[in-house]
Amino acid sequence: SQTIHQWPATLVQPVGSPLSLECTVEGTSNPNLYWYRQAAGRGLQLLFYSVGIGQISSEVPQNLSASRPQDRQFILSSKKLLLSDSGFYLCAWSIQGAEAFFGQGTRLTVV
Amino acid sequence: GQQLNQSPQSMFIQEGEDVSMNCTSSSIFNTWLWYKQDPGEGPVLLIALYKAGELTSNGRLTAQFGITRKDSFLNISASIPSDVGIYFCAGQLRNQGGKLIFGQGTELSVKP
Repeated sequence: SQTIHQWPATLVQPVGSPLSLECTVEGTSNPNLYWYRQAAGRGLQLLFYSVGIGQISSEVPQNLSASRPQDRQFILSSKKLLLSDSGFYLCAWSIQGAEAFFGQGTRLTVV
Repeated sequence: GQQLNQSPQSMFIQEGEDVSMNCTSSSIFNTWLWYKQDPGEGPVLLIALYKAGELTSNGRLTAQFGITRKDSFLNISASIPSDVGIYFCAGQLRNQGGKLIFGQGTELSVKP
């Protein structure tokens, strides 16, 4: 069966520090991968999605970036965090055209 | 950009009542998905819809993929306290290679 792992679960980082959130999927090949951010428990904003290794689509201009170094690994990064980067970050995977499944999320607080 | 308009934003109901929420868009979707999210957790898939006009049930939940491919609704019958949470619709856009976008959510509160 397929599983998705996202870590860490919570993170407190100072303004200006770097960020690296990792997401890995097991039990499937060539999945679509997604990073979402959720502010204040409401809508999920699509940040990045990837349909293959090295293929990243960015949805929102920001100081975040994403990379997909391996088929089932998706990384969200920042060189310098801003206060506005605080939020709940969710990774998800799907087989194209089918339902998406989410990780447990990372609660990021920038202080 | 593409948007999903989800309504209502919140609902306060009595246990046992039925609930209805919907999503609309100006864009055409290949797939409609409905999720429920509990506080501090990732969304969990409730129902997936793949064909225009499709009507699918999952226990007390029923959802339909609109015939125009631009809308979907979710009904919950005989609500119970554990139905509390935020419900999201999501759609995969036609000809946009896997892009999956979400509505703003409907927060459901159920009074025992």
